[in-house]
Amino acid sequence: EVQLVESGGGLVQPGGSLRLSCAASGFMFNSYEMNWVRQAPGKGLEWISDIDTTGRTIYYADSVKGRFTVSRDNAKNSLYLQMNGLRAEDTAVYYCARDSRWLPAGGTFDIWGQGTMVTVSS
Amino acid sequence: SSELTQDPAVSVALGQTVRITCQGDSLRTSYATWYHQKPGQAPVLVIYGQNNRPSRIPDRFSGSTSGNTASLTITGAQAEDEADYYCNSRDSNTNHVVFGGGTKLTVL
Repeated sequence: EVQLVESGGGLVQPGGSLRLSCAASGFMFNSYEMNWVRQAPGKGLEWISDIDTTGRTIYYADSVKGRFTVSRDNAKNSLYLQMNGLRAEDTAVYYCARDSRWLPAGGTFDIWGQGTMVTVSS
Repeated sequence: SSELTQDPAVSVALGQTVRITCQGDSLRTSYATWYHQKPGQAPVLVIYGQNNRPSRIPDRFSGSTSGNTASLTITGAQAEDEADYYCNSRDSNTNHVVFGGGTKLTVL
């Protein structure tokens, strides 16, 4: 079964750090670009990062650039999101999502994890 | 601008046809992808490109694009189609993916 499972969420104080993981199974992880998307409580979806198959090309939304770092370990079929300098506005469910590349430009996320909740509060 | 604009809410009578739109400059150069999301669940891809559906998505869902506007049409809406619908596309200038604000669909 094709699956993504996020972990690592929790409660963290403002200014703190957290590392999220996304474990992939059931497909050739090293053949797909991967993304992180978040959703604040009661709000819409917000794309935050895209990493290519090799991990060399990474894009970040302006809202997290300089604070968040995305990486991947293809040998472990895993995607990571290191979050530093966390703010209250980073409180959200964080999803990892696979880019199917059904469109040349990408952005077609065909597989999503169940999400992991990050709460930033004192 | 890399924003995508959606109507916040739309309603449709059971069995009728509804169109949900997504507007933005990035759609002039990149196709939209559509997702639905039910409460407490992850988003599900329903339409991508000009009008392509994953095999598990019913054929009552269809898509189209004209200029800077992408549309998702549900022909014969069912109660289970009640959900939040989001569009996204990639901004060719920044390579960033952008989501619309979402449309809450109510099936009456």
